[in-house]
Amino acid sequence: DQQVKQNSPSLSVQEGRISILNCDYTNSMFDYFLWYKKYPAEGPTFLISISSIKDKNEDGRFTVFLNKSAKHLSLHIVPSQPGDSAVYFCAARDSGTYKYIFGTGTRLKVLA
Amino acid sequence: DARVTQTPRDKVTEMGQEVTMRCQPILGHNTVFWYRQTMMQGLELLAYFRNRAPLDDSGMPKDRFSAEMPDATLATLKIQPSEPRDSAVYFCASGTTLNTEAFFGQGTRLTVV
Repeated sequence: DQQVKQNSPSLSVQEGRISILNCDYTNSMFDYFLWYKKYPAEGPTFLISISSIKDKNEDGRFTVFLNKSAKHLSLHIVPSQPGDSAVYFCAARDSGTYKYIFGTGTRLKVLA
Repeated sequence: DARVTQTPRDKVTEMGQEVTMRCQPILGHNTVFWYRQTMMQGLELLAYFRNRAPLDDSGMPKDRFSAEMPDATLATLKIQPSEPRDSAVYFCASGTTLNTEAFFGQGTRLTVV
């Protein structure tokens, strides 16, 4: 069973507009939620995280929102830039084991 | 420049051969993860270690996969015998329980023909 789900395999956005990537989870034992960005032929790189006790975390153009009642989080990128084109993985850290469970990824394409 | 180092970057092998992938975690990190990237499953957790002890390898096919940490600077993932369905990119990541995030290596792209 997939504990972390990214239901949109791909997303295309115009440069300068907002990109919204979504993620759903089923386990309430996660203490942190993270977003990673992955370029082809490279490893995933950490982008931003949020504690399960928060509902928003912002870092420059990137903001992550957490809705615990809906078990849903989203990553907002504004304004989107062509260099943001990559695969974005949502991940959750288990509070007991500290292991990270990843979603299947969303491929973002920012059109110039 | 602290980074997770994986070798080899690319490996092509024939079905039935043994494959060993290596990972050097970031110095001071006490947790090491092995992930496999597939189109359908995204990043699957295969196994992970804390302080060199295996904590969970339930994601690995037990009959052919094995993971070890001979010392704090080396983690290995071995497949014997390899099969075409093992073709994927394998990532190693390291972290600590004090930090939020784990850091990934560049991956090993395995092709079994």
